[in-house]
Amino acid sequence: GNSVTQMEGPVTLSEEAFLTINCTYTATGYPSLFWYVQYPGEGLQLLLKATKADDKGSNKGFEATYRKETTSFHLEKGSVQVSDSAVYFCALSDKYGGSQGNLIFGKGTKLSVKP
Amino acid sequence: DADVTQTPRNRITKTGKRIMLECSQTKGHDRMYWYRQDPGLGLRLIYYSFDVKDINKGEISDGYSVSRQAQAKFSLSLESAIPNQTALYFCATSDPTGSGTDTQYFGPGTRLTVL
Repeated sequence: GNSVTQMEGPVTLSEEAFLTINCTYTATGYPSLFWYVQYPGEGLQLLLKATKADDKGSNKGFEATYRKETTSFHLEKGSVQVSDSAVYFCALSDKYGGSQGNLIFGKGTKLSVKP
Repeated sequence: DADVTQTPRNRITKTGKRIMLECSQTKGHDRMYWYRQDPGLGLRLIYYSFDVKDINKGEISDGYSVSRQAQAKFSLSLESAIPNQTALYFCATSDPTGSGTDTQYFGPGTRLTVL
C-alpha cells in the first residue's frame, strides 16, 4: 500500500542555517506529493506540492523536488528563520490508486529555530 | 473569515458521553474529511465524504460516526467517548482539479479531552 516516511525530529537549528527534512514514499500509482506546515496552535496549511516526476515545488524559500528514481521529496531551505518553527508533514495523494486521491501523511517533523 | 471552521475549538468530556464535532466550509468544495492527530503518529483519516450521498470509512473509523448534512457541513460524532479518543481533530476539504491534484484545506482543529 501507499506510505510516507519522513525523518524523525525534533530538529533544532540556529537562524540562517540550512534545512533538509527527508521524505520518501511508497506508492502503487502516480502520486502527487505535498509538504504541509502546522504552526503552533493552528491547522495544517499547504506549503508546496509537485504533481509529476522532476517537478520542483517552491514557496516562502522552501523547495522540494519530486524524484521518482529515489522515491523522494526532500524539503530544503537555504536560510531558516525563527518564524519557520513549526511541524512539517510530507504527504502523497494517489488519485488513480486505491486511496482514491486521499492524502497519506508522514508522522511529521518538528523544527525549532533558535535566534 | 476562515474558509473552514470547526466547533468547538476545545472540549473536555467524560467517558461514555456522546460528543459531536462540527465542521463548516465556505469554499464550495464537495469533498470533506475528518482526521485525528496524535503526537508522533501524524494525521490519520477517520471518515471522508466525496459528496452529500457518498460517505466512506477511513483508516480508523471504529468508535466514530459522521453526518454530511449539506455540502458545507460535515459532523463527527463519538457515540460513547473513551480516553484513547483524546486527540486533536481536524476537518479538511478539497476540490480535485483537472490536473488530478488533491490539495486539502484544513480547519483550525478541535482539541478533545476524554477523562
